Amino acid sequence: DAGITQSPRHKVTETGTPVTLRCHQTENHRYMYWYRQDPGHGLRLIHYSYGVKDTDKGEVSDGYSVSRSKTEDFLLTLESATSSQTSVYFCAISRFDMNTEAFFGQGTRLTVV
Amino acid sequence: GQQLNQSPQSMFIQEGEDVSMNCTSSSIFNTWLWYKQDPGEGPVLLIALYKAGELTSNGRLTAQFGITRKDSFLNISASIPSDVGIYFCAGQDGRGGGTYKYIFGTGTRLKVLA
Repeated sequence: DAGITQSPRHKVTETGTPVTLRCHQTENHRYMYWYRQDPGHGLRLIHYSYGVKDTDKGEVSDGYSVSRSKTEDFLLTLESATSSQTSVYFCAISRFDMNTEAFFGQGTRLTVV
Repeated sequence: GQQLNQSPQSMFIQEGEDVSMNCTSSSIFNTWLWYKQDPGEGPVLLIALYKAGELTSNGRLTAQFGITRKDSFLNISASIPSDVGIYFCAGQDGRGGGTYKYIFGTGTRLKVLA
């Protein structure tokens, strides 16, 4: 198994509160990604990082921010959670820029009530 | 956002049957990946393809990188009950700019009837 740990695994939060999800890797991989998975939509990219302090937006980045202060940690923050952000969130990592595989964490199930 | 066209969306098959699924895209990809996801778990990599025309096997699974670089196929031979799950294809978008993102299909949900 790729050394990826997501925390928490499950969270219930109230609308309007900030939430931070953590992805920790032990593989020293350069690229890290946050995806959300919703029925009928598959996996959609929220944000990704190509190095410490280097991040960029994915296709569904509104309402989310990220930070990467260390190679091993990639944080996803919901600045003010909304019910539409109820989803399963996956972190992924990959080694190089091109022609490489991505490995996934086990996911965080977030419910916004 | 961009997604891959993956088909079929779902399939019910009898144990022992062979299974085929595919992904198509309007974009060219440098890498095709196939994943399986079990309930409550993250996707697990099954096969990675890096060259147009490449055919790669992993046990009973065989995947091919289409010659046009716009499609890929996954075949499962002699299905067994533990093949149940959702299968995702993913293409790595290497169109430049130094950003190499993965784009996913919407998944094929496979159910195997014993």
